[in-house]
Amino acid sequence: GENVEQHPSTLSVQEGDSAVIKCTYSDSASNYFPWYKQELGKRPQLIIDIRSNVGEKKDQRIAVTLNKTAKHFSLHITETQPEDSAVYFCAVPRDAGGTSYGKLTFGQGTILTVHP
Amino acid sequence: DTGVSQDPRHKITKRGQNVTFRCDPISEHNRLYWYRQTLGQGPEFLTYFQNEAQLEKSRLLSDRFSAERPKGSFSTLEIQRTEQGDSAMYLCAIIVSGTGIFGTEAFFGQGTRLTVV
Repeated sequence: GENVEQHPSTLSVQEGDSAVIKCTYSDSASNYFPWYKQELGKRPQLIIDIRSNVGEKKDQRIAVTLNKTAKHFSLHITETQPEDSAVYFCAVPRDAGGTSYGKLTFGQGTILTVHP
Repeated sequence: DTGVSQDPRHKITKRGQNVTFRCDPISEHNRLYWYRQTLGQGPEFLTYFQNEAQLEKSRLLSDRFSAERPKGSFSTLEIQRTEQGDSAMYLCAIIVSGTGIFGTEAFFGQGTRLTVV
């Protein structure tokens, strides 16, 4: 099965700093790479995703970069704000084709704390 | 409208009791997924449905677990003879397309938090 390693497990930054979380996967067939944000007691919520045909995608303060050769992808948050504090999860598809949106293997999570 | 309703939101049960959770997508969705999330971990895939057919079960789904989706709309997840290790958040997800900034995504419900005492 797919192995997904996410680092770091905790990340503490000052407001305004940047935060980077990295995810490494094992199945080279994977073609879809989402990042989810989960606030305490709430549902995981998709914040950004990338397909394997591009190397980078950006949405305001959030970006995801993908290195298919090295089999890793990273979440970048710039100008962090206290409301960015949450647990962030990467995920990769579990299906043989590497494209499933719903059948996912999640990383272990990163607890991000942004200090005002 | 996009949304998934899960009921109950919280459940406390004694070890050995049976429990049943319900997942209700607001509108029709072909695919429905169940996940389990223990404290401090990412969600783990349990099973999924294409309409009323259960297409895959992960090895996490022991014989004490059963899931159904009788009419291809809502789904239930039952745990028989609960054990303390079953304590977790049980999440339901559907695939939504064309909403917000994402073309297609797995949209999760708020989950049912089970505590076995």
